[in-house]
Amino acid sequence: DTGVSQDPRHKITKRGQNVTFRCDPISEHNRLYWYRQTLGQGPEFLTYFQNEAQLEKSRLLSDRFSAERPKGSFSTLEIQRTEQGDSAMYLCASSLVQQGNTIYFGEGSWLTVV
Amino acid sequence: AQSVAQPEDQVNVAEGNPLTVKCTYSVSGNPYLFWYVQYPNRGLQFLLKYITGDNLVKGSYGFEAEFNKSQTSFHLKKPSALVSDSALYFCAVRDGGGGYNKLIFGAGTRLAVHP
Repeated sequence: DTGVSQDPRHKITKRGQNVTFRCDPISEHNRLYWYRQTLGQGPEFLTYFQNEAQLEKSRLLSDRFSAERPKGSFSTLEIQRTEQGDSAMYLCASSLVQQGNTIYFGEGSWLTVV
Repeated sequence: AQSVAQPEDQVNVAEGNPLTVKCTYSVSGNPYLFWYVQYPNRGLQFLLKYITGDNLVKGSYGFEAEFNKSQTSFHLKKPSALVSDSALYFCAVRDGGGGYNKLIFGAGTRLAVHP
């Protein structure tokens, strides 16, 4: 069990560019979550998947954000036309409903928009 | 709406002394409560959770938490602090029922353990 893996760990991009983050959950975990964390704050929920179905999206997830989990395994989070306010750490997490549903987080992907 | 509050931005403790990091909650229904720890530039690591049962929950790295329904609290404790415990600690509550498991986090408490 290798844990939740996120890539890239750090991304610096210019305002207006698109960025994509990838998350590989713990093997066989059927739920996958995306959170965003800014400096000095706790993580804020963005969206979650049960297998390949996206079941909830936060109001924080504007139209510029899109997440997919096409085969119920890895997930991608894309941010289009990045803004400086998008600078944050994007955390992916996963859980297995049948094993108490404890949520395990990855190391996060830091985004800096300049 | 479910919420948690961590009233202290920072807690300072000497190595070897007991530590407490405070958390209070506001929920409708039964509370499902969690503690996570975050080291600099890292993700969150799960420490422990309370679902039901004993009010004293034991977790990783010697941490435990005491659930107190009358005071709506879920304080994190450790009998003897280590310098390596210095990190950011987050309390969280599960939002929703029926197996739904989104977590709502507090703002975090920075623990500083001094040699």
